[in-house]
Amino acid sequence: GEDVEQSLFLSVREGDSSVINCTYTDSSSTYLYWYKQEPGAGLQLLTYIFSNMDMKQDQRLTVLLNKKDKHLSLRIADTQTGDSAIYFCAETLATNKLIFGTGTLLAVQP
Amino acid sequence: GAVVSQHPSRVICKSGTSVKIECRSLDFQATTMFWYRQFPKKSLMLMATSNEGSKATYEQGVEKDKFLINHASLTLSTLTVTSAHPEDSSFYICSAIGTSRRPVDEQFFGPGTRLTVL
Repeated sequence: GEDVEQSLFLSVREGDSSVINCTYTDSSSTYLYWYKQEPGAGLQLLTYIFSNMDMKQDQRLTVLLNKKDKHLSLRIADTQTGDSAIYFCAETLATNKLIFGTGTLLAVQP
Repeated sequence: GAVVSQHPSRVICKSGTSVKIECRSLDFQATTMFWYRQFPKKSLMLMATSNEGSKATYEQGVEKDKFLINHASLTLSTLTVTSAHPEDSSFYICSAIGTSRRPVDEQFFGPGTRLTVL
């Protein structure tokens, strides 16, 4: 199947860490991605990880990949109010074709 | 970064009319553009892949006669919703692939078009 699942909602306090989880289904995915969607704006690519890696860190963002369990997570350190948005994980099943997760709404409380 | 625009950002039309949505890559040439549909509180669903100068490739379950896609130039793709019905109301998002700067061909997304069919 092509279902990529995420929890719907996450609420954190400003300054705390946020962890957004994603479960994908296709073990042949080459790359896995995290996108951010702010209201009225297009999707912004935050980071990506190649399937043969298990961790990638990019400033406040840390991506963990458990290929055995097909589990991907995005950790945002020192979460700010500007991080409030919907976050989508995505996988590539074929060249350039993206399958998106269901999206997680992150609400950051001041 | 690369910019993709969509026009209009919001459109309301009567049932039975056709609506055209434009997707433009403003500062790069896009050989491939994608059209997605996003329902409220739902994920993005890929509708079709559009390559410049050739016919679009539609995903399973997407009616090609209903959703006409034209990719006439390297900077413009259009999606026409023909004979729109209320169930076509949705948020339509395009993306474009430009020059690859990384191992992955990054898709740059437009801001989306909100279509409401009365």
